[in-house]
Amino acid sequence: KQEVTQIPAALSVPEGENLVLNCSFTDSAIYNLQWFRQDPGKGLTSLLLIQSSQREQTSGRLNASLDKSSGRSTLYIAASQPGDSATYLCAVPPGTGANNLFFGTGTRLTVIP
Amino acid sequence: DVKVTQSSRYLVKRTGEKVFLECVQDMDHENMFWYRQDPGLGLRLIYFSYDVKMKEKGDIPEGYSVSREKKERFSLILESASTNQTSMYLCASRRVGSPLHFGNGTRLTVT
Repeated sequence: KQEVTQIPAALSVPEGENLVLNCSFTDSAIYNLQWFRQDPGKGLTSLLLIQSSQREQTSGRLNASLDKSSGRSTLYIAASQPGDSATYLCAVPPGTGANNLFFGTGTRLTVIP
Repeated sequence: DVKVTQSSRYLVKRTGEKVFLECVQDMDHENMFWYRQDPGLGLRLIYFSYDVKMKEKGDIPEGYSVSREKKERFSLILESASTNQTSMYLCASRRVGSPLHFGNGTRLTVT
């Protein structure tokens, strides 16, 4: 069964700092990986989707990378802002050909003004 | 923009009641999902549907059922609500191979 791990569980950084969030998964036979953010009491907002054929995806100050062979993905946030404070989750399918996603338990990010 | 709408943000029900959670998406997505989210346990899949009238059990289907009579609507039913079903319920939808989009969630409390 696919297992997804996100370390650390919580992270605090001063405003303006660049930071990296980590996601690891056990079954590397995935066809994509998705990053989300979740604000307290709200649903999840999709940030980036990386297909297995890609190594990186960028959206504004966010850059996500994918290394299937090592079972890892990173989410890089440049020049962090207080509005980036949220929980960030990654999700992968359970191997190939499945519709479901397995989620990590997330990294709670606090950006201190 | 994709819109996934859950009918209630907050819901309080009594033990034993039958509870309906409704979800509607406006992008003609084939796949729709129901998750529940609990502290320390993360998101867990209850059921998903890959087409009208088609459904598959997720990881924790016990105590739940679903209905998908129209492509845009996916309903989660708690046949007889229990206190251990107090949780945040999240609906999501997507086209195959495309990003998953979530609604804002329904926080259900069963007393």
